[in-house]
Amino acid sequence: TQLLKQSPQFLSIQEGENLTVYCNSSSVFSSLQWYRQEPGEGPVLLVTVVTGGEVKKLKRLTFQFGDARKDSSLHITAAQTGDTGLYLCAGLADSSYKLIFGSGTRLLVRP
Amino acid sequence: DADVTQTPRNRITKTGKRIMLECSQTKGHDRMYWYRQDPGLGLRLIYYSFDVKDINKGEISDGYSVSRQAQAKFSLSLESAIPNQTALYFCATSGTRDTQYFGPGTRLTVL
Repeated sequence: TQLLKQSPQFLSIQEGENLTVYCNSSSVFSSLQWYRQEPGEGPVLLVTVVTGGEVKKLKRLTFQFGDARKDSSLHITAAQTGDTGLYLCAGLADSSYKLIFGSGTRLLVRP
Repeated sequence: DADVTQTPRNRITKTGKRIMLECSQTKGHDRMYWYRQDPGLGLRLIYYSFDVKDINKGEISDGYSVSRQAQAKFSLSLESAIPNQTALYFCATSGTRDTQYFGPGTRLTVL
């Protein structure tokens, strides 16, 4: 069974601080996605990374896919209260059409 | 209008009752999925369908059944609900191998 472990589970920071969320697995994924979910809504895709070592930037968010395609990180610079939410990583195995989701990181950005 | 809709949004029922959750999409996607979300466990796949005649079990299909009535409709049934099926249920669709679009979710409580 492929598992994706996210850390930390919970993070509470002050507005303006930087943070990094990690997504780790012992399995190789052909691509990895990051979703953000707000209360009462479904997850919304932020980014997909497909190449080992790939780095993608989305405004203040930087996503990195590990060289071995087993792990990923999400770095937020100068967090804002609007960044509050549940961040989920999800991996697609080479031979599968199913996404495997991590357990999520719940982020609270305090004003 | 939302691309993926779910009904009902909230449901409280009693142990032993039959429940149906419905999902409709206007994205024209062939692939549809049902997930459940529990605190600390992320999203777990219940069933998925790649076209109208294709139904596949996910990692936690016991106690659930599905019906793909049309390309745009995919319903999830709990034949005899039990309390540990209390959870958030999400429907998702995809047109490609990885990117999935989620509905707003159904909060189900089984008493």
